[in-house]
Amino acid sequence: KAGVTQTPRYLIKTRGQQVTLSCSPISGHRSVSWYQQTPGQGLQFLFEYFSETQRNKGNFPGRFSGRQFSNSRSEMNVSTLELGDSALYLCASSLGQGLRAEKLFFGSGTQLSVL
Amino acid sequence: GQQVMQIPQYQHVQEGEDFTTYCNSSTTLSNIQWYKQRPGGHPVFLIQLVKSGEVKKQKRLTFQFGEAKKNSSLHITATQTTDVGTYFCAGVGSGGSNYKLTFGKGTLLTVNP
Repeated sequence: KAGVTQTPRYLIKTRGQQVTLSCSPISGHRSVSWYQQTPGQGLQFLFEYFSETQRNKGNFPGRFSGRQFSNSRSEMNVSTLELGDSALYLCASSLGQGLRAEKLFFGSGTQLSVL
Repeated sequence: GQQVMQIPQYQHVQEGEDFTTYCNSSTTLSNIQWYKQRPGGHPVFLIQLVKSGEVKKQKRLTFQFGEAKKNSSLHITATQTTDVGTYFCAGVGSGGSNYKLTFGKGTLLTVNP
């Protein structure tokens, strides 16, 4: 089975722009979660999608949004980019069987740099 | 909200020495997971602990879940250079229908050969 695929691998944007990141989960996985990773803050939860619905959300401003498609692929969007948005954005998929916690499979991430 | 604290933040050891990282939650957890992230890589699942007082072993790695289900530890015996990386714990709260995993900030382990 192919792993979790994230595109693009690297992105350079300027302040004020917007960006869309893509994530293709492992085949058969229905849940997709997004995390922001920075050296100082570790892994910060952004949101989780299951069956095209946002099931959980972290404490990020409304500039961060996401969606999930019927094939479980997910996108996240960041509008009006700020310098502090520079980070590694990780997508993780899981089976989504509704268990309290499932093993997460992470993609390689998208490294976003905001100049 | 739920907080998961991990100590130490960094640990440098000589190859062959033991290593332990500790994870503490502000609330009772339903379960806890551990992940390893190699430098330049992405987190990879190691194990999940569910029961109070549970102990699991994977070769040189020993994972423990506290009796109160508020803390956990990962112990590596006789470290090797392949153990280098950041170890994260991640917990899920025991109340409600919150599926969100809260990650600790991780412990970066470096090993001097």
